[in-house]
Amino acid sequence: AQSVTQPDIHITVSEGASLELRCNYSYGATPYLFWYVQSPGQGLQLLLKYFSGDTLVQGIKGFEAEFKRSQSSFNLRKPSVHWSDAAEYFCAVGAGTGRRALTFGSGTRLQVQP
Amino acid sequence: DTGVSQDPRHKITKRGQNVTFRCDPISEHNRLYWYRQTLGQGPEFLTYFQNEAQLEKSRLLSDRFSAERPKGSFSTLEIQRTEQGDSAMYLCASSPRDEKTGELFFGEGSRLTVL
Repeated sequence: AQSVTQPDIHITVSEGASLELRCNYSYGATPYLFWYVQSPGQGLQLLLKYFSGDTLVQGIKGFEAEFKRSQSSFNLRKPSVHWSDAAEYFCAVGAGTGRRALTFGSGTRLQVQP
Repeated sequence: DTGVSQDPRHKITKRGQNVTFRCDPISEHNRLYWYRQTLGQGPEFLTYFQNEAQLEKSRLLSDRFSAERPKGSFSTLEIQRTEQGDSAMYLCASSPRDEKTGELFFGEGSRLTVL
């Protein structure tokens, strides 16, 4: 069964600083990988996804993520964080339909200091 | 283009009462999912419909929970005899017929507070 680990529960960065959120996955085949963002009291918005091909994928809001098969990682990055990026970020691995459609990590809460 | 909509957005109820949540998926999506998210956790799978057929249920879905999608369009999730442990955000998501990767489109969620 697939699983996702997000080692950092909470991260605080200063506005304008760079950001990297870590994600490690476990899956027996080539994974489909996703990052979703959730603002307080809101649903989940897709930031970016990796299916195949170029291991560096670009998403919305200036985010990017790099797939590293050797490390089973899919870390999310942003060169310069804005105050509006404060939210909870979820990494997920997809494997088809039903209960295997998406398995989420426990999330990383991002706080942005002025 | 309307996304996935859920109603109500917030529900406060007393322990022992029944509650029902509604989800309207994206119109051309035939697959519909319910997830539960508790504080500080990622969403967890509850159940999955393809058209009107409920094809999978998680062990999290106790016998107090029932989900339906009678005409293959909107879905309802009912919780009977609510308990404080049912307090959570209930997320609905949908995906199109030919989706193979697991990508889901989520609604804003229905937050349940059981007093």
